[in-house]
Amino acid sequence: EVKLVESGGNLVQPGGSLRLSCAASGFSFSSYWMSWVRQAPGKGLEWVANIKHDGSDKYYVGSVKGRLTISRDNAKNSLYLQMNSLRAEDTAVYYCARSGSSFAFDIWGQGTKVTVSS
Amino acid sequence: DIQMTQSPSSLSASVGDRVTITCRASQSISRFLNWYQQKPGKAPKLLIYSASTLQSGVPSRFSGSGSGTGFTLTISSLQPEDFATYYCQQSYSTWTFGQGTKVEIK
Repeated sequence: EVKLVESGGNLVQPGGSLRLSCAASGFSFSSYWMSWVRQAPGKGLEWVANIKHDGSDKYYVGSVKGRLTISRDNAKNSLYLQMNSLRAEDTAVYYCARSGSSFAFDIWGQGTKVTVSS
Repeated sequence: DIQMTQSPSSLSASVGDRVTITCRASQSISRFLNWYQQKPGKAPKLLIYSASTLQSGVPSRFSGSGSGTGFTLTISSLQPEDFATYYCQQSYSTWTFGQGTKVEIK
């Protein structure tokens, strides 16, 4: 079964750090670009970051540049999101997603919740 | 950055109705347009990619069309399980989602 499972979400204070993980199974992880997408409470979807299949290129939405860092370990079939200098507006459910044909996101995890609050 | 604008933001419809949602890009994105369905508390699900290609397992009552800057998602005969929020997304230059269209029961 093709599957993505996120973990690492938690309550964190403003200015704090958190590392999210996404474990992939059932497909050749090292062949696919991967993304993080977030959804603030009651809001729409926002693409956050993407990493090329071999980790050689990374892309970010402007609001997270310099604070969030996407990475991957193909040997461990895992995707990561290091989140530093967190703000209240980073509060959201974070999904990892696989980029398939036409760079559409064809496989999604169940999401992990990040709450930034004092 | 490419902006995506969906309309309407919400709609009310009955089972069996034909429903059309539109999505407009701020610049040409060729056919790099995808549609997703999201139900409350669940992850989004890919319905259509490349503007009109149905993802495997998606019912044929869903269809997509368009190119350049204007796109549509059509549900030919709305079913009870189709009440959800729908998002368009461009994948031409990084990725951007539309703001979503909530389809509610009339």
